[in-house]
Amino acid sequence: KAGVTQTPRYLIKTRGQQVTLSCSPISGHRSVSWYQQTPGQGLQFLFEYFSETQRNKGNFPGRFSGRQFSNSRSEMNVSTLELGDSALYLCASRPLSLSYEQYFGPGTRLTVT
Amino acid sequence: EDKVVQSPLSLVVHEGDTVTLNCSYEVTNFRSLLWYKQEKKAPTFLFMLTSSGIEKKSGRLSSILDKKELFSILNITATQTGDSAIYLCAVDRSGGGADGLTFGKGTHLIIQP
Repeated sequence: KAGVTQTPRYLIKTRGQQVTLSCSPISGHRSVSWYQQTPGQGLQFLFEYFSETQRNKGNFPGRFSGRQFSNSRSEMNVSTLELGDSALYLCASRPLSLSYEQYFGPGTRLTVT
Repeated sequence: EDKVVQSPLSLVVHEGDTVTLNCSYEVTNFRSLLWYKQEKKAPTFLFMLTSSGIEKKSGRLSSILDKKELFSILNITATQTGDSAIYLCAVDRSGGGADGLTFGKGTHLIIQP
């Protein structure tokens, strides 16, 4: 079974621009979560989608948004990029069930200059 | 506020040594504790623990959870250079992913030949 895939793997943007990242979950997984990883803050939860609905959101500004499509693929968008948004953005998927571990994709390395 | 604290933050040992990594947590509605290994990009799943006192084992790695004292340990015996990585501890509060995983900052383990 193919793992979680994320595109692009690397991205360089300038301040003020916006960016869209994509995540394809493991086949059959309906829940997709997004995380931001930085050296200072570690891994932090952004939001989680299930059946095209955002179920919860972490403590991030409204510039961070996302969506999920009917095939469970998900995108996240960051508008008006700031230098502090430079990070590794990780997507994780899990099947619909309680107590299932999340499986992570390779991440997208975003650099904002 | 929910928190997950890992110790030590970094550890350097020689090949063949045994290491113990610690993870303590304070979260509401605890459901499970997970350990991940992160080498380059994607954290890879190691263990999920939901019950106290039941050791999970995979080769040279083992982990146990103490829900009364709110901590978990990850043991690695006969360490090898390939064990060098960041080991992440995370707590799942919802069981269904709605609140996302709360991660510790990780333990950076370096195994010297």
